[in-house]
Order: sequence, then structure tokens, then C-alpha cells
Amino acid sequence: NAGVTQTPKFQVLKTGQSMTLQCAQDMNHNSMYWYRQDPGMGLRLIYYSASEGTTDKGEVPNGYNVSRLNKREFSLRLESAAPSQTSVYFCASIEQGRGEIYGYTFGSGTRLTVV
Amino acid sequence: QKEVEQDPGPLSVPEGAIVSLNCTYSNSAFQYFMWYRQYSRKGPELLMYTYSSGNKEDGRFTAQVDKSSKYISLFIRDSQPSDSATYLCASGGFKTIFGAGTRLFVKA
Repeated sequence: NAGVTQTPKFQVLKTGQSMTLQCAQDMNHNSMYWYRQDPGMGLRLIYYSASEGTTDKGEVPNGYNVSRLNKREFSLRLESAAPSQTSVYFCASIEQGRGEIYGYTFGSGTRLTVV
Repeated sequence: QKEVEQDPGPLSVPEGAIVSLNCTYSNSAFQYFMWYRQYSRKGPELLMYTYSSGNKEDGRFTAQVDKSSKYISLFIRDSQPSDSATYLCASGGFKTIFGAGTRLFVKA
């Protein structure tokens, strides 16, 4: 099925550990995004990639790094996890130039707990 | 102040009721306005979009934008238990700004 696939779905980390969240889309979209969702805060943009080979910071980039590996894949890395990074992480993609009409396609999320 | 503000609810209504969900935004440059629906433990999915001011209707759903007051609304007619979800308003396109979401419960 076409869409955005995120792995893992759940993860528990200890403070200071590192991990990479993986995201892949098979819709040939140019732009990809990482959001985090926290109660009362809504979705906040961490990083985005307008096209293959480019990445830019969003609203809350501190503590994260990203890699746009190719057109399909966009990974999010936590180098030294902190309890404040406990959240649900969503990857999304969009067809550039038509996003307003079709909207983002989101993955099903990664639930991360940092203890 | 967030660029898109939304009352988080929760909002509980009986089946068949008319539901009104509302947001305000601060950036007068916003032209595109969207509503996403998010079921529990799922990613958001686009429900409706509107360009500039005016209304847009799709079945039981009507989206309304009033740019003069920077107000975004979603109306759900004949609400069903399957409409129970979190509804997020949003604006922008390439870099979308989301509201915090309103949790809606429709009781059978």
C-alpha cells in the first residue's frame, strides 16, 4: 500500500542513549517532514527536507539531526536522548506545489519514551 | 502566541448533533486552511481544505474561513460515533502550522 512507513512504532530509551527513527515514502514526493506531537502543543515541526539533498530546521530542532538519504527516505536522529524528547514523532511527505490541495501524508507515528 | 490557536476540548456531543469546531490564526498572509482528522494512535489525515475566505462543503462536513476576523471553522452535521477523533486545524501549505487539536467524542 502506498504511504509513509515509520519504524520503530514504539521505543524506550535511557537518558543519554542515541537512536535513529526511520521514515520511507513510496509516493515519489519531493518534500518530507518530521513533527513531534505533545499534549496541548499540537504538531511542531522539527526538521524538513524540501527536496533530495536539502534539509532545514523547523520550530524545535535542538537535540535532533536529520538525513535525507534519498528521495524516499528521511531519518531523524537523537544523539543523546533527554526526557524532554518523550513524544510521538510523525514523519510526513507532500507533493511539492500541490500540498495545499492534497495535504500531508503522515506515517502512523513512533511513540518514544525517554526515562 | 501560537500562529494557530485551537481549543483542545474535549467536546462531547450526542449522536446526531451539529458540531462546531473553531480556530483562530494570527498571520494575515495565510491563504490555505486545512482540517485534519486524527484517530487514536494514528497519524493525521487531511479532511478538508479551503483557499482564502468562504465555505466549502463535503458531505456532512463544512469548512468556513473568515479572513477578516482570522477565524476558521469546521461544522459536522448529523454527527456519528465514527466522527470521534481529534480535529486539527492548520494553515500554510509547504510548511504547515497546526493547531493543538480538539478532541471530539460523539456518544451513541
